[in-house]
Amino acid sequence: QQQVKQSPQSLIVQKGGISIINCAYENTAFDYFPWYQQFPGKGPALLIAIRPDVSEKKEGRFTISFNKSAKQFSLHIMDSQPGDSATYFCGVTSGSRLTFGEGTQLTVNP
Amino acid sequence: GAVVSQHPSWVICKSGTSVKIECRSLDFQATTMFWYRQFPKQSLMLMATSNEGSKATYEQGVEKDKFLINHASLTLSTLTVTSAHPEDSSFYICSANSLAGPTDTQYFGPGTRLTVL
Repeated sequence: QQQVKQSPQSLIVQKGGISIINCAYENTAFDYFPWYQQFPGKGPALLIAIRPDVSEKKEGRFTISFNKSAKQFSLHIMDSQPGDSATYFCGVTSGSRLTFGEGTQLTVNP
Repeated sequence: GAVVSQHPSWVICKSGTSVKIECRSLDFQATTMFWYRQFPKQSLMLMATSNEGSKATYEQGVEKDKFLINHASLTLSTLTVTSAHPEDSSFYICSANSLAGPTDTQYFGPGTRLTVL
């Protein structure tokens, strides 16, 4: 059973636009929700993360919106740049165990 | 801070041979280290979790005799792929969480590309 569902699978955005990636989960035991960015041939890098006691967290151009009742969270990338082109994974964590979403390949056109 | 390294970054080996991959936390001590496998255009799948000085815990479907994990210290874990076969070709990535930080934050290494001929 899939622990977390991520959408869309791929996303194309124009430079300066907003990229939005969504994740939904079922298990209310999850207590930490990170987003990772991965470039081809590299390991994933932690981008931003949120805990369920807050509804939004912003770091620079990246914002997580968290809806606890709907069991959904999303990543918003403002003013998207070609350098943001990468694969993004959401994660759900219970204790130290991290499960990844399927990933979203983001392409930002210049 | 929180840098994790892996060695080698890529390796090509013949079918039937064994390959060892090292994972080190460079600037922190890790309570737990994790090994993931990622096939092309797929997500990362957890293979096993290891704590220093104790046996690794393997995920369902992962053969512990094939993927040997040794967690020798708070900064070093190794994954040995024994009797490798072409289907073991994949991108292997380790991660670690910091002894000094929240246990739910994992820092990832750069990955090791394994190709078995």
